[in-house]
Amino acid sequence: GQNIDQPTEMTATEGAIVQINCTYQTSGFNGLFWYQQHAGEAPTFLSYNVLDGLEEKGRFSSFLSRSKGYSYLLLKELQMKDSASYLCAVPFISSGSARQLTFGSGTQLTVLP
Amino acid sequence: DSGVTQTPKHLITATGQRVTLRCSPRSGDLSVYWYQQSLDQGLQFLIHYYNGEERAKGNILERFSAQQFPDLHSELNLSSLELGDSALYFCASSVDRDTFGNTIYFGEGSWLTVV
Repeated sequence: GQNIDQPTEMTATEGAIVQINCTYQTSGFNGLFWYQQHAGEAPTFLSYNVLDGLEEKGRFSSFLSRSKGYSYLLLKELQMKDSASYLCAVPFISSGSARQLTFGSGTQLTVLP
Repeated sequence: DSGVTQTPKHLITATGQRVTLRCSPRSGDLSVYWYQQSLDQGLQFLIHYYNGEERAKGNILERFSAQQFPDLHSELNLSSLELGDSALYFCASSVDRDTFGNTIYFGEGSWLTVV
């Protein structure tokens, strides 16, 4: 089966650091994606991890531990525009032979002034 | 702008009706994916086409169908519409046939409201 868990909501203050966690269960791991989605808009790609460790990209970093089925997205120096839903996604086998990107329910981050 | 184009952006229709949503993938992308996002659910995978052929199906209702044409654009057909079909429908595209290490890029979505 496939299962992705992430917290529903988080709140943080402008300028702070926030960590959004994601746990997943899958057979045949093929990497983990993070997307950002502002309300009513398209999800936009943030990061992709396939190996263990931390990948840093500006204010955003993503960490992966394959043995623990765990990832987190770290957002530094939070800005008001970072208020959005953050989606963890993992490719799973669906019907057919292709792996399909399956998304968690998303973590709604609210950044307060 | 992701380069994925979806039309219409907004659509209001009555129960029992049929609508067609259209998607043009990014230039050079051969894969097209359709996702549904309703208020109380996350992004739900519907169907994937690669170079005109169906690659995989997710939780797509029998009332829904899709196809990808030779010019690689895709259409999602929704028929016998019900109130619960009201949602944001996203199209996404990617270069390869599989999502392994392959980022998919989303269009702006088509808002469907069934009244």
